[in-house]
This record gives sequence, structure tokens and C-alpha cells, in this order.
Amino acid sequence: SQQGEEDPQALSIQEGENATMNCSYKTSINNLQWYRQNSGRGLVHLILIRSNEREKHSGRLRVTLDTSKKSSSLLITASRAADTASYFCATDTSGSRLTFGEGTQLTVNP
Amino acid sequence: GAGVSQTPSNKVTEKGKYVELRCDPISGHTALYWYRQSLGQGPEFLIYFQGTGAADDSGLPNDRFFAVRPEGSVSTLKIQRTERGDSAVYLCASSRYGTATEAFFGQGTRLTVV
Repeated sequence: SQQGEEDPQALSIQEGENATMNCSYKTSINNLQWYRQNSGRGLVHLILIRSNEREKHSGRLRVTLDTSKKSSSLLITASRAADTASYFCATDTSGSRLTFGEGTQLTVNP
Repeated sequence: GAGVSQTPSNKVTEKGKYVELRCDPISGHTALYWYRQSLGQGPEFLIYFQGTGAADDSGLPNDRFFAVRPEGSVSTLKIQRTERGDSAVYLCASSRYGTATEAFFGQGTRLTVV
């Protein structure tokens, strides 16, 4: 079963705009991670935020975590065509697995 | 190698046949995971190894699926009596210390059962 649910399922924006993706989950977590996937193959880790953290930044990425609402958001600023990919949130609830959502398909138009 | 390596990258097999999928994790990573991903879905957990032992195999769908990691490095996912519903991309990942640290994924094996 999927722990995380991403919203929206698909997002299309113009280069230079910001992209925001949201993730909601059901049970308490140890940490939450965001991954990117191109063309349905290998996933690339983007950022990890622990349950006691509220916000993290990495380059053009900003992640927030609200454990009271069981939700997280990923913001990509000044998007580029190369950011076009699927983005997944994954939660660590048990220390033995990451549970992924169904992803947001981001398209950045040049 | 520098990353997680999975072989083969593509595998086509006939229904009922046996297949083995191989994963070479990043050297020194004690944790290894197998996931399965169907088209348009997120990765679905199958099994987690910590060292040589399967610490969590609760994601394996049935007894046709089995995985080993005999020396704590390379892992093999074995599927017996394949069914068309087994068609998916099988992803392997490794991490240094488990789920508290980032996981590095291989490019996956696309399995097609015809």
C-alpha cells in the first residue's frame, strides 16, 4: 500500500517559474525523502528531511515538513527544462523500508 | 563501481520460466533494497537486507519470489514460474546505514513476461 500521496499528479509550467509539489502521508515517520526519476528508470535522491526538522534547502530545492498535518512540500525555484521528470516522496516509518507515493509528473516547457 | 549496477537491463521471458535479476550495490553499503515499479506507479517495496540477512521480506508478493545476498554484497532476486503480472521494472537500491540515510538506486531491470 502507498503511504504517501503526491499532489498534483501532473504539473506543467514554463521555464523560470516555480514548481510546488505536495505529499501527504498517514502514519508517523522517521524521515521523509524526495526522489526524482527520469524516463521510468533509476531514481535519484534529492533531499532528506528528518521528523524533527521543519524546512531544508538544497540549491534550488526547498522542502518543508509539517508533522502535525502529515504533509510535505517540494519547491523547485527558477525551473529549467531539464527539471522535467517524475518526483516522488518516500517515507521511512519502520527503519526497514521507504514507502513511495505515486509521484508527480512535472513538465517544464522551454 | 561508482553506482548501483543491475543486470540485465532488460529481460524478456516466457510465462512459467524462472528468472534471476542481479544487483551490485555500492561498495561498503550494508543496506540493500529491492523494489518493483509498474507503469505510472511509485516503487513498491519487496525486501530489505542488512548485511547478509533479510531484515524485512514482508513486501514479497508470494512464494514465487525469493532473494539472497550470501556475502553481504551482491544480491539476486529470483522469480519462479513467472506470470504476466510480474512484468515491471525491478529496482535495486543500497544505502550506507539503512533508511536513515539516502538510498542510491540502480537503473533497474525491465522484466517482460510474454
